[in-house]
Amino acid sequence: GQSLEQPSEVTAVEGAIVQINCTYQTSGFYGLSWYQQHDGGAPTFLSYNALDGLEETGRFSSFLSRSDSYGYLLLQELQMKDSASYFCAEGRDDKIIFGKGTRLHILP
Amino acid sequence: NAGVTQTPKFRILKIGQSMTLQCTQDMNHNYMYWYRQDPGMGLKLIYYSVGAGITDKGEVPNGYNVSRSTTEDFPLRLELAAPSQTSVYFCASSNPETYEQYFGPGTRLTVT
Repeated sequence: GQSLEQPSEVTAVEGAIVQINCTYQTSGFYGLSWYQQHDGGAPTFLSYNALDGLEETGRFSSFLSRSDSYGYLLLQELQMKDSASYFCAEGRDDKIIFGKGTRLHILP
Repeated sequence: NAGVTQTPKFRILKIGQSMTLQCTQDMNHNYMYWYRQDPGMGLKLIYYSVGAGITDKGEVPNGYNVSRSTTEDFPLRLELAAPSQTSVYFCASSNPETYEQYFGPGTRLTVT
C-alpha cells in the first residue's frame, strides 16, 4: 500500500508562503526528497533531507523529523510559475518511492 | 551532457503487441529506475537497477521486463500490451550519494 501521505491539493496566493506536508511509515527509510512537476513535464529534483532539520535552497526549504516520520516543503514568495505538482519521495533500501503528489494552485 | 534520454516520445500499441522503451544516461550513474505515471497520479516504481547486470522489482512490475547490460542503458520491455498499461513512462538515474534523480522526458504510451 501507499506509505507516503501528502495532501492532494493546496491553494495559496501569489507572494505568500505555503507548506506541503508529507508523512511516511516505513522501515528501511534513509531520506526524503521533494520533486516538482509541471503539467506535461518530467519531475525535477528540489531537495533531499537525510538528517533532521531544515535545508534551504533559495525560496524553497525542506524539513525532516525522523522521530515524527514527517517532513514538509516550504515555498516562500510564491510566484505563478510555482503552480505545479509537488511530490515527496522516500529512499527505502535501494528504491525511491513517490507519494501521490500535491497540486499547488496559486491565485493572483 | 544529454542527461537521460528516452525513445520514443509517443507510441500507440494494439492490445497484445510488444515493444521496448529505450533509456540511456550519460552521467555514469549506477542507479536507474523505471516509473509509470497515470493521469493525475503519482509515479509508481516498475523496476530499478543498482548497476550493470543487477535488476529488481518495484511496486508494479507485472507485465514488464528489464535488462541492464551496460551502465548507460536500461530498456523496459512490454510483452502482450494491455489497455491498463496506457500511461506515461519515465526513466530516471541517480547519484546514490545525493539521491537526486534525473528524469528523462517520458514516453507517452497508449494501448488500444
